[in-house]
Amino acid sequence: KQEVTQIPAALSVPEGENLVLNCSFTDSAIYNLQWFRQDPGKGLTSLLLIQSSQREQTSGRLNASLDKSSGRSTLYIAASQPGDSATYLCAVRADSNYQLIWGAGTKLIIKP
Amino acid sequence: DVKVTQSSRYLVKRTGEKVFLECVQDMDHENMFWYRQDPGLGLRLIYFSYDVKMKEKGDIPEGYSVSREKKERFSLILESASTNQTSMYLCASSLGTQKNIQYFGAGTRLSVL
Repeated sequence: KQEVTQIPAALSVPEGENLVLNCSFTDSAIYNLQWFRQDPGKGLTSLLLIQSSQREQTSGRLNASLDKSSGRSTLYIAASQPGDSATYLCAVRADSNYQLIWGAGTKLIIKP
Repeated sequence: DVKVTQSSRYLVKRTGEKVFLECVQDMDHENMFWYRQDPGLGLRLIYFSYDVKMKEKGDIPEGYSVSREKKERFSLILESASTNQTSMYLCASSLGTQKNIQYFGAGTRLSVL
């Protein structure tokens, strides 16, 4: 059974730093992997989607990488800003259906 | 822009009440999902639907039912609310295509007293 883990559960860094969030999954047979952002008390916003055939995707200051063979994905945030403070979740889609398997998230705090 | 609207942001109900959570999407998406989110547990799928009148159980369907009479609307029903159903409930929708990005509503925080 696919399991998705995000470590650490929380991270606090000073503004301006580059940082990396980690996501690992146990079964490499995935269709795609998504990174989401969730602001307190709100729904989720999709940030990046990486298909299983891709190695990375970029959007502005965000770069997500995927290494299926090792069961790992990273979300790189460049030049962090206080507005980046949120919980970041990753989710993998198995090959055969529309369901997503979710990590528990990393709560990120960017200190001004 | 895709819009997924959940009818209530906050809801307080009593044990044993029947509770309806409504979700509407305006992008003609085939797939719709109901999740609950609890601290430290991430999102857990309750039910999903890939077409009108179709439904599939997710990981934690016990104590819940769903209804999808129209493509744009997916309702989650708690037949007899219990305190362990106090949670944040999130609705999502996606196209029935390979890319399958899920778009989420703002969530309903349900408290069962």
